[in-house]
Amino acid sequence: AQKVTQAQTEISVVEKEDVTLDCVYETRDTTYYLFWYKQPPSGELVFLIRRNSFDEQNEISGRYSWNFQKSTSSFNFTITASQVVDSAVYFCALSGYGGSQGNLIFGKGTKLSVKP
Amino acid sequence: DAGVTQSPTHLIKTRGQQVTLRCSPKSGHDTVSWYQQALGQGPQFIFQYYEEEERQRGNFPDRFSGHQFPNYSSELNVNALLLGDSALYLCASSLVPGVGNEQFFGPGTRLTVL
Repeated sequence: AQKVTQAQTEISVVEKEDVTLDCVYETRDTTYYLFWYKQPPSGELVFLIRRNSFDEQNEISGRYSWNFQKSTSSFNFTITASQVVDSAVYFCALSGYGGSQGNLIFGKGTKLSVKP
Repeated sequence: DAGVTQSPTHLIKTRGQQVTLRCSPKSGHDTVSWYQQALGQGPQFIFQYYEEEERQRGNFPDRFSGHQFPNYSSELNVNALLLGDSALYLCASSLVPGVGNEQFFGPGTRLTVL
């Protein structure tokens, strides 16, 4: 079975704080992809990053960084120096050749509130 | 370059009615997937269309059906609406079907069933 767990339902921080969103996944596939999407109040899911299971290099993009660890089946997302515009629901998702056959299996999301 | 568009934005129906939601994929994309997002939950895969055929289906009853047109646009139909069908319906498009392809999402259609 494939599953994505985002244990943090809601996180509230003050602007300029760093925040890490956790994502733990389950899959029996050896080849799979992990994604992070952002969903602002408007509702549209915005793609942030995709990683494949063979690339465990951490990635940094501006204030965003991602830590992929196969040993712990985790793909965590850190926002450095958070801003009010970062307030949104963030989803981690999994895509593999197994049950999902390429379609996205989402976690329940983490609602991030950044207060000024 | 137009992104994924969906219509209508909002819809209110009563139990037992039927509804049709529409989606136009991002320019150059030929694969359309539909997801249902209940309040406070992550999106759940309904089905995917490619070459005008349903290629994959999630765990949804056959009250949920769809269609893809030659121009790659798609419709989602839901018959015999239930209160539990109230959700945000998201359409996503990708270049081709397959594992790992980035899916671009539309703004969604908010369906309320009374």
